[in-house]
Amino acid sequence: SAVISQKPSRDICQRGTSLTIQCQVDSQVTMMFWYRQQPGQSLTLIATANQGSEATYESGFVIDKFPISRPNLTFSTLTVSNMSPEDSSIYLCSVPDNEQFFGPGTRLTVL
Amino acid sequence: AQSVSQHNHHVILSEAASLELGCNYSYGGTVNLFWYVQYPGQHLQLLLKYFSGDPLVKGIKGFEAEFIKSKFSFNLRKPSVQWSDTAEYFCAVRRSNDYKLSFGAGTTVTVRA
Repeated sequence: SAVISQKPSRDICQRGTSLTIQCQVDSQVTMMFWYRQQPGQSLTLIATANQGSEATYESGFVIDKFPISRPNLTFSTLTVSNMSPEDSSIYLCSVPDNEQFFGPGTRLTVL
Repeated sequence: AQSVSQHNHHVILSEAASLELGCNYSYGGTVNLFWYVQYPGQHLQLLLKYFSGDPLVKGIKGFEAEFIKSKFSFNLRKPSVQWSDTAEYFCAVRRSNDYKLSFGAGTTVTVRA
């Protein structure tokens, strides 16, 4: 099983600023996903982080708003750019295996 | 795109009552099915999963789920709930050849002591 850590665990940010969230996995994985869980809602897939190529974004999410890096097979970052209060969510990193493993999440509050 | 429907938004039960949460999905191909639980203030935890074989799967904490292919359903059950089962429950589906999970809207379960 994969062990996933995320930094920061939580943050409070001002609107218009950007926050970069880090995801570290304890083993090499081909695919990494980024999900968002808005307050009181379910999880929505933002994008697939591909090592060595650009991330693949789901409908409704764009690279300018959520740039993603994947420098190697154990690490990825998600940046939430030009934040607004609507970006207040929990952001989760996930890696697939026999099951789907999730990181502990980053709770972001935008004021 | 596939969709996942959870029938109940909020379920309130007394301890020792039986629980059943409905989940239906729209994808017609081969799928992998999951139920996750999220306790207040905690992150997602896998309750159980179905990939193939016996359609009745048993998970942790006394939960089980039944896959009915003809009904595109994967309902979660527990014969006797406890106060500690108070949580948010999410059904999730992915195609067997694709690792992208689609989640249902979630069901809040409140168990009264």
